[in-house]
Amino acid sequence: GESVGLHLPTLSVQEGDNSIINCAYSNSASDYFIWYKQESGKGPQFIIDIRSNMDKRQGQRVTVLLNKTVKHLSLQIAATQPGDSAVYFCAENPGNQFYFGTGTSLTVIP
Amino acid sequence: DTAVSQTPKYLVTQMGNDKSIKCEQNLGHDTMYWYKQDSKKFLKIMFSYNNKELIINETVPNRFSPKSPDKAHLNLHINSLELGDSAVYFCASSRSTGNLGYTFGSGTRLTVV
Repeated sequence: GESVGLHLPTLSVQEGDNSIINCAYSNSASDYFIWYKQESGKGPQFIIDIRSNMDKRQGQRVTVLLNKTVKHLSLQIAATQPGDSAVYFCAENPGNQFYFGTGTSLTVIP
Repeated sequence: DTAVSQTPKYLVTQMGNDKSIKCEQNLGHDTMYWYKQDSKKFLKIMFSYNNKELIINETVPNRFSPKSPDKAHLNLHINSLELGDSAVYFCASSRSTGNLGYTFGSGTRLTVV
């Protein structure tokens, strides 16, 4: 199987600060990546995606950065809010299915 | 309307029993999946069906048997339940295989006692 790891299993940030969640992936053939957010008691929800022909993609308050050289991607959340508290997963797709990382638990401190 | 719905949401059962989890999607997607999430939140794919045809069958005990009566439904039947089967099971769907995002259901928490 594939290995998609996260550098920090837990992250606590003050409300209003920016959050950065990192992810290392293992398959250099992966060409599509997605960040998912999983709130307590719910299924993972799509946040933002990026393809390997890009190194940055921005959404509403979120930015994903992709560094293919070191097989690393990150999720930046601007002005973190209490509603951002959740487990965040990166997922890589080398062609036929997604492989998920173990998740980072983000806690926003009011 | 819920896009991907699973039933039941919670399931508590004794070892050795047989149980089923149902999944339905109303998105018109062609591909459906079953994932298992363990206590450490790790998500592992179990099965994938595309237009009722099995396309991914990871190393899963043959006590687990998926059934897809049509492309909008993918049910999971588990025989002879074991303690280690306790987990949250997620159904997901996508428009096709490969490079497209998944829509997940809200999960079924299975507890085997």
